[in-house]
Amino acid sequence: AQRVTQPEKLLSVFKGAPVELKCNYSYSGSPELFWYVQYSRQRLQLLLRHISRESIKGFTADLNKGETSFHLKKPFAQEEDSAMYYCALSGYGNKLVFGAGTILRVKS
Amino acid sequence: DVKVTQSSRYLVKRTGEKVFLECVQDMDHENMFWYRQDPGLGLRLIYFSYDVKMKEKGDIPEGYSVSREKKERFSLILESASTNQTSMYLCASSSTGWATEAFFGQGTRLTVV
Repeated sequence: AQRVTQPEKLLSVFKGAPVELKCNYSYSGSPELFWYVQYSRQRLQLLLRHISRESIKGFTADLNKGETSFHLKKPFAQEEDSAMYYCALSGYGNKLVFGAGTILRVKS
Repeated sequence: DVKVTQSSRYLVKRTGEKVFLECVQDMDHENMFWYRQDPGLGLRLIYFSYDVKMKEKGDIPEGYSVSREKKERFSLILESASTNQTSMYLCASSSTGWATEAFFGQGTRLTVV
């Protein structure tokens, strides 16, 4: 079975502080992992995917197969990072499942 | 620019009505998905389709059915709407392949009264 767990419903940090949004997954095969973001009044959109190994808007995520984790990190939070973040896993037959999401609030 | 368009932004229906939610994509994507989005529960997959006339149940298919007669269109059907189906419904599409991006519609806020 494919399952994604995001343990935090809400993460509140001050501007300039580091951010780590946690994601753990359960999947028996080779997972394809993503982070999606939804800004206020906007559509859900892709932030980054694990195969790209790139930094998007200062965010990075490393796939740790031993710990089955794919945590999202940013060294210095900005107010415009405030949004809902979803971790997602694509597995068998391109089935795409999401976690419960974490609201990130960056305070000034 | 990929477009995924859901036919309605807001819908209000009565308990017991048959409800159709329509989704159209213009990028010739093979995969299409229907999710419901609820606070604290995230996005839960209802059904997905990987080709015309092909469908697979997601995690919460009960009370729903789907139809995909054409590649660009994926319909979600609530056979007999109930109040616990009040939710935001999101449609998405993606191409087949490794780690392809899913593109989402703007969502349909359905209220069942």
